[in-house]
Amino acid sequence: GAGVSQTPSNKVTEKGKYVELRCDPISGHTALYWYRQSLGQGPEFLIYFQGTGAADDSGLPNDRFFAVRPEGSVSTLKIQRTERGDSAVYLCASSLNGGASTDTQYFGPGTRLTVL
Amino acid sequence: AQSVTQLDSQVPVFEEAPVELRCNYSSSVSVYLFWYVQYPNQGLQLLLKYLSGSTLVKGINGFEAEFNKSQTSFHLRKPSVHISDTAEYFCAVSPYNQGGKLIFGQGTELSVKP
Repeated sequence: GAGVSQTPSNKVTEKGKYVELRCDPISGHTALYWYRQSLGQGPEFLIYFQGTGAADDSGLPNDRFFAVRPEGSVSTLKIQRTERGDSAVYLCASSLNGGASTDTQYFGPGTRLTVL
Repeated sequence: AQSVTQLDSQVPVFEEAPVELRCNYSSSVSVYLFWYVQYPNQGLQLLLKYLSGSTLVKGINGFEAEFNKSQTSFHLRKPSVHISDTAEYFCAVSPYNQGGKLIFGQGTELSVKP
């Protein structure tokens, strides 16, 4: 079946602009995660959804970052007033069993965000 | 809090040689342990995970890892590598009962040469 998909694959924007990044999880997966991967680093946790609600948003760096998952499937990561330091690959992952720590996460290919 | 340290940023190795990618972690709570692999131009995929039981875990593509609680390590090994194993490898931990979020190391780039 289809894996996790993310759109767009690449996004170039100017400093100060607003961007939205979309994630389509695997059908039936209740947990959805966002991570950010800067060049030469491992992925860094941002936020986790269990169904429609954000169960843990402790990784969001500041209030310019926000994410939603209104129907418990597709999620959108929103970044306001982008800064050059926001440039990174944004990864989405989903898992089946409602966010159990033992569960395998399936990752999408990522969205590469470049802020000029 | 948790942290993961991958001791080698790059590991060059010849085809058919053995390889070990090292991972150490620290955590104030119990964690589960994972290795993920990222092939060029592909997304992260799970290699193997340690949840409980035998400390030697076997994964896909001939990889295995050994959990050492006293040394807080989870090193990844393969007895004979192939060119196709060239990729970035990430060690990660997931704290018990914290929703499954993963804390990753910075990655080890394995480069297999003919």
